[in-house]
Amino acid sequence: DTGVSQNPRHKITKRGQNVTFRCDPISEHNRLYWYRQTLGQGPEFLTYFQNEAQLEKSRLLSDRFSAERPKGSFSTLEIQRTEQGDSAMYLCASRSGEGNQPQHFGDGTRLSIL
Amino acid sequence: AQKITQTQPGMFVQEKEAVTLDCTYDTSDPSYGLFWYKQPSSGEMIFLIYQGSYDQQNATEGRYSLNFQKARKSANLVISASQLGDSAMYFCAMTRRNSNYQLIWGAGTKLIIKP
Repeated sequence: DTGVSQNPRHKITKRGQNVTFRCDPISEHNRLYWYRQTLGQGPEFLTYFQNEAQLEKSRLLSDRFSAERPKGSFSTLEIQRTEQGDSAMYLCASRSGEGNQPQHFGDGTRLSIL
Repeated sequence: AQKITQTQPGMFVQEKEAVTLDCTYDTSDPSYGLFWYKQPSSGEMIFLIYQGSYDQQNATEGRYSLNFQKARKSANLVISASQLGDSAMYFCAMTRRNSNYQLIWGAGTKLIIKP
């Protein structure tokens, strides 16, 4: 049983560059979430997919951010023209079914903007 | 608006002692779920335990139990017989039922187990 997989684990880039992260959820999970976590804080919700449909986006998700989940399997989160404030841990989670099933998280991608 | 409050930024506990991590929540939704997650320094977020708002009994999972007091809107995590490997950040979270079950998180408690 493989868990949620995120790549890369770490990304260091210069301000203004574009970055893309990938998340592979648990295979039978049709619901996928992205969160952002800054140092010393709890995660903040970014966006939610049910199958391939992006059903909810936080106001935190500026127009520089875009997320996709083609074919309802893996998901990508892209940040264009990165800024210093984008430095954070980006967490992906998936879950199955209705109701309050727990979300299972990947190891996260830590983004550092130079 | 829904909110999670964790009032203990950090705790030191002697190994083998029990520890209680506090969590209070605010919601007007009659149906909600409460979760505890552990985040070691390596960064992964590990699910520990879940309590539903309609559950009559407190949830238990091994050494973890959840002290659910609905009228007081509290959902404290109790870890029995603490171990050195329990040192980590602990987050309390709540689902927003009407918002695709996204999680709302507290600020976390850093737990350090002393040998």
